[in-house]
Amino acid sequence: QVQLQESGPGLAKPSETLSLTCTVSGGSIDSFYWNWVRQPAGKGLEWIGHIYSSGRTNYNSSLKTRVTMSVDTSKNQFSLKLTSVTAADTAVYYCARGGGRKWDAFHVWGQGTMFTVSS
Amino acid sequence: QSALTQPASVSGSPGQSITITCTGTGSDVGGYYYVSWYQHHPGKAPKLIIYDVSDRSSGVSDRFSGSKSGNTASLTISGLRTEDEADYYCLSYTVSGTVIFGGGTKLTVL
Repeated sequence: QVQLQESGPGLAKPSETLSLTCTVSGGSIDSFYWNWVRQPAGKGLEWIGHIYSSGRTNYNSSLKTRVTMSVDTSKNQFSLKLTSVTAADTAVYYCARGGGRKWDAFHVWGQGTMFTVSS
Repeated sequence: QSALTQPASVSGSPGQSITITCTGTGSDVGGYYYVSWYQHHPGKAPKLIIYDVSDRSSGVSDRFSGSKSGNTASLTISGLRTEDEADYYCLSYTVSGTVIFGGGTKLTVL
């Protein structure tokens, strides 16, 4: 049973960088698309982007100037960096596993981690 | 790119059926059979219930079904139960090689 666990600092000041890691257990990170999704309080889900196990990425156009994703297959982890954060980036951040094709659904999700931007 | 359009809320009584729609364009919902639906109870991880428009995820009750016509996908829940009360989101692949969520629908079981 594949499980995902998000980790990282839960607080940052405006203009700083969000850094989160998702650790994959119970399965390999190889040959899948790995996604980041967020949900601000009281709002809907927003797809941030995905990374394939080879390192190929695709980002939400509204965030792409600030987003970088990376993958570490040796550690079975993938990561998200979001620069120049503002209060609008305060949200619960989820990692999710897609399939082997970029259009596959998200079959496995992490529990989510709260990230707050505050001075 | 704006979120796919879903009704903000729907409601039904136990035992009834409801349908949640998800409207996009020919560049997303209408162009591909890659629409999925997620059930999200607050404070928990979203759960995949339907993928590829109409395929049920493993272990999901056959009370949940999906379909698509043109630029609109639909999720139908029959025999409503109190535990179905949750937020529901659609997700579609897009011509840009990305995916996009619907705005979400709050289902209330009266």
